[in-house]
Amino acid sequence: SAVISQKPSRDICQRGTSLTIQCQVDSQVTMMFWYRQQPGQSLTLIATANQGSEATYESGFVIDKFPISRPNLTFSTLTVSNMSPEDSSIYLCSVLKFGELFFGEGSRLTVL
Amino acid sequence: RKEVEQDPGPFNVPEGATVAFNCTYSNSASQSFFWYRQDCRKEPKLLMSVYSSGNEDGRFTAQLNRASQYISLLIRDSKLSDSATYLCVVDNSNSGYALNFGKGTSLLVTP
Repeated sequence: SAVISQKPSRDICQRGTSLTIQCQVDSQVTMMFWYRQQPGQSLTLIATANQGSEATYESGFVIDKFPISRPNLTFSTLTVSNMSPEDSSIYLCSVLKFGELFFGEGSRLTVL
Repeated sequence: RKEVEQDPGPFNVPEGATVAFNCTYSNSASQSFFWYRQDCRKEPKLLMSVYSSGNEDGRFTAQLNRASQYISLLIRDSKLSDSATYLCVVDNSNSGYALNFGKGTSLLVTP
């Protein structure tokens, strides 16, 4: 399995500010992803975090809004920039290991 | 049309009951299928993969009907601890990686 730690677990932020979420995995993994889960909605893939290169973003998500870093095979960050109340959501880091997708416990973000 | 559709429920069943969840997917080229379980305020966790021939894991049975683009999950002898949201997940990747999640079906097992 994979143990994934996310920080912060929750935060309340003011409109217009930015928040960086950290994801640490207990082992090296090639595939690392960031998902968003809005209330009552399905998990939506934001991007694939690529080690050593720019993240690959899904339709509807852009680097300026969700910059991602992946300095090595065990760590990644997601920044939610210039936040608005619509960004209130749970953000989940996930990794693919042995064909199974493992998730962190998520970061619950509330934007006022 | 949503790529993965599920009945959101909630399904309220008594302990010991049998309950079935259904899921339909829109992409006929989908390759792999899964059921994930998500407890309240927790992260999703893999419950079981769904194979073409159908598969069983204890009280849980998953079935796939490619012709109808339909996946099911059957839970027999429901336990209180089965209360959770069950997510239908479809992998559309031919190469690379592309998981699509349904919104989930909520199950509440009552004493």
